[in-house]
Amino acid sequence: QSVLTQTPSASGTPGQRVTISCSGSSSNVGTNTVNWYQQFPGTAPKLLIYKNSQRTSGVPDRFSGSKSGTSASLAISGLQSEDEADYYCAAWDDSLKCPVFGGGTKVTVL
Amino acid sequence: QVQLQESGPGLVRPSQTLSLSCTVSGDSITGSTYHWTWVRQPAGEGLEWVGRISTSGSTKYNSSLKSRASISLDPSKNQFSLKVDSVTAADTAVYYCARGGWSSSSFVFDSWGQGILVTVSS
Repeated sequence: QSVLTQTPSASGTPGQRVTISCSGSSSNVGTNTVNWYQQFPGTAPKLLIYKNSQRTSGVPDRFSGSKSGTSASLAISGLQSEDEADYYCAAWDDSLKCPVFGGGTKVTVL
Repeated sequence: QVQLQESGPGLVRPSQTLSLSCTVSGDSITGSTYHWTWVRQPAGEGLEWVGRISTSGSTKYNSSLKSRASISLDPSKNQFSLKVDSVTAADTAVYYCARGGWSSSSFVFDSWGQGILVTVSS
């Protein structure tokens, strides 16, 4: 059971906008910034978004992140086939004093 | 550019000890303020933080492992290692080593190893 809650799957057709949600609590998402990792099958996760909305170098601007209260979201606009991957949210937890992850959302491009 | 590489046995017998190492290149594991971390991922499941060791040698572990895990540094090899005692099938997973740290008030894992599959089976 992951500390952060994500819907297991999301899908869209090429060009559509897909939004992934991440729900936490006051000790993690509510207090600290949220990061998003992208993982393709058989590969290690890669940092995609940090500090709620900052894209890492090379990440297309169709990826955007936001946070409000104890929830965060990742949006992919202009969905492309190469965006098909698993996406994980993460945040530092002040009570556990360690980083915590969401269960992951599998994005499928129809 | 920092690179991490896991190594160790891919098969461990139940009740035995899982031992993995992570070799770091491009950064000194004792010269910077990072959390050298292990994360695992059972097949088809999400990411689970296993534990970390800081450059000072302080450690912290996921309580779900019930004190079975230990992480150590080997500065001479620029490596850090994970041991998990009394393993069961539930410890079967891909194990990643990663570098974690605070960046612009956000704790991030900015570098990851490729991962190593460890299967617990007799």
